[in-house]
Amino acid sequence: AQTVTQSQPEMSVQEAETVTLSCTYDTSESNYYLFWYKQPPSRQMILVIRQEAYKQQNATENRFSVNFQKAAKSFSLKISDSQLGDTAMYFCAFMKLTGTASKLTFGTGTRLQVTL
Amino acid sequence: DTGVSQDPRHKITKRGQNVTFRCDPISEHNRLYWYRQTLGQGPEFLTYFQNEAQLEKSRLLSDRFSAERPKGSFSTLEIQRTEQGDSAMYLCASSSPPTNHQETQYFGPGTRLLVL
Repeated sequence: AQTVTQSQPEMSVQEAETVTLSCTYDTSESNYYLFWYKQPPSRQMILVIRQEAYKQQNATENRFSVNFQKAAKSFSLKISDSQLGDTAMYFCAFMKLTGTASKLTFGTGTRLQVTL
Repeated sequence: DTGVSQDPRHKITKRGQNVTFRCDPISEHNRLYWYRQTLGQGPEFLTYFQNEAQLEKSRLLSDRFSAERPKGSFSTLEIQRTEQGDSAMYLCASSSPPTNHQETQYFGPGTRLLVL
């Protein structure tokens, strides 16, 4: 079974600054995906960024980038130039790579508050 | 592409009553997932379908819970004899078969259930 741990329940960052959210996971699988999802207050979950475990290059999506350390089983999210709209719960998630449908295993989330 | 929709968005019921939720996935997505999210936690997997076949059920899905996807399109999740512990957000997600080793689950807005 896989586990995902997010050790920072809450974080705060000032607008335009950079913040890093931590995530570690445990698995015996060698092929998998890792995700960061964002859940704004009272709004639906949306995908922020995805990383395939077989890729060594860290994924980036505009202001969002990850630091993927496969040996350490670490997958942190860096948000640059933080904006008020980044205020949300952020969930790290794991998916085993299979030929059929596969479930997501989520961490407990980090609540990010972006302040003026 | 209208996104994943769920109905109702909110449901208040009395303990012991039956409730049914509906999920309409993104058109042509053949994979559909149900998750449950309690306050302050990450979503937990309940079950998933590939087309009309239910491929996996979590141990969280007691015999009071049943899910169907009769024609491989929309899905329903029924909870019989509701208990206060069933109060949660029920999330639906859909995805299409992965291309280039990429699969992404797209989430609906959820149905928030409160059992009194």
